[in-house]
Amino acid sequence: GAVVSQHPSRVICKSGTSVKIECRSLDFQATTMFWYRQFPKKSLMLMATSNEGSKATYEQGVEKDKFLINHASLTLSTLTVTSAHPEDSSFYICSARARSSYEQYFGPGTRLTVT
Amino acid sequence: RKEVEQDPGPFNVPEGATVAFNCTYSNSASQSFFWYRQDCRKEPKLLMSVYSSGNEDGRFTAQLNRASQYISLLIRDSKLSDSATYLCVVNRGGSSASKIIFGSGTRLSIRP
Repeated sequence: GAVVSQHPSRVICKSGTSVKIECRSLDFQATTMFWYRQFPKKSLMLMATSNEGSKATYEQGVEKDKFLINHASLTLSTLTVTSAHPEDSSFYICSARARSSYEQYFGPGTRLTVT
Repeated sequence: RKEVEQDPGPFNVPEGATVAFNCTYSNSASQSFFWYRQDCRKEPKLLMSVYSSGNEDGRFTAQLNRASQYISLLIRDSKLSDSATYLCVVNRGGSSASKIIFGSGTRLSIRP
């Protein structure tokens, strides 16, 4: 299947700092990328949907000024967690979908720990 | 009520057993359906798409009942490596731009 990478795979940061997570589609053009968050033993929660070249659409309850999403090219989307707090500690997973496709391909995830 | 509902399990079955998972969805406009599998602390991986006519891939069989808004996954001759969480996924609406909704997953544990 298609390959999606995420970087970094694991990050520890101090409270109040910002963290940027990159999501790349390596062998296809991702017109749509999704960002999810998953707490331990819980289901994936969609945070936002981003289409290349346009603003992201955030799910209810997700602060767009706290979770900045940029999808500047067909192969790269970034999620920046601004002014991180311990409660932002979670597993962040991106997925990518090609134009006219229903299938999503997931990145390996980024484990964020805010101390 | 959640838009996509699954029995959370856990299902604990012996190796070689047949196990079935069910999933119901509430939005009748949903058009495409998938089963994903997620291993502990890993990302979800597509297991199979679910077609109206039902489809089979080796030991895995997926069925869709649009009238009942019900999806199933059957695993035959289960292996230890089948232990994972199985996610039912529904594409709400009829285009690739529609939102995809994940069920909360069913945990499966295969014992020797």
